Amino acid sequence: DAGVIQSPRHEVTEMGQEVTLRCKPISGHNSLFWYRQTMMRGLELLIYFNNNVPIDDSGMPEDRFSAKMPNASFSTLKIQPSEPRDSAVYFCASSPHGRAPFGYTFGSGTRLTVV
Amino acid sequence: AQTVTQSQPEMSVQEAETVTLSCTYDTSESDYYLFWYKQPPSRQMILVIRQEAYKQQNATENRFSVNFQKAAKSFSLKISDSQLGDAAMYFCAYHSGGSNYKLTFGKGTLLTVNP
Repeated sequence: DAGVIQSPRHEVTEMGQEVTLRCKPISGHNSLFWYRQTMMRGLELLIYFNNNVPIDDSGMPEDRFSAKMPNASFSTLKIQPSEPRDSAVYFCASSPHGRAPFGYTFGSGTRLTVV
Repeated sequence: AQTVTQSQPEMSVQEAETVTLSCTYDTSESDYYLFWYKQPPSRQMILVIRQEAYKQQNATENRFSVNFQKAAKSFSLKISDSQLGDAAMYFCAYHSGGSNYKLTFGKGTLLTVNP
């Protein structure tokens, strides 16, 4: 099992540009989560998918952020237009089902820098 | 809403010594799970240990053990025989045992291991 795979590992973009972050969850995991990590706010849940359906997007900071999960093996998080305050590490995580008594498996994260 | 508090932003320990990282949480639920995650400089979030709230016995994983005090809502992590590879950011996290899927993190404790 290759684990949760995120790409790119690093992304540097100019303010106003569109950014797309990608995630491949562990095969068989039907729950997928996007988290954002910053020094000021720590780890925050942005959105949660179950069986490819967005269940809770209340953590998405604003309309510039959107996430999709077109199938069980792929998800994207898009920021358009990007702003310097979006600079953070974005993690994708998956679990076998919505309840996660064994915790989530995280990807290695994407470090986004918006200049 | 559940909250997780880690009161020690930074800790240091000498190699081969023992260190304890503190975590408290606030919840009105009786069924939940608690976790410690390790985040080394590689950025990967690694599950260290988990504890079910209904179990009185403290969880242990090799050199890592917890002191779970349910009434006090305390969940500390003890690292014995500290190694240089233990240097990392450590996050305490809470997960509801009910239908809530959200994993709530503390702000983290940065552990330095001195040779």
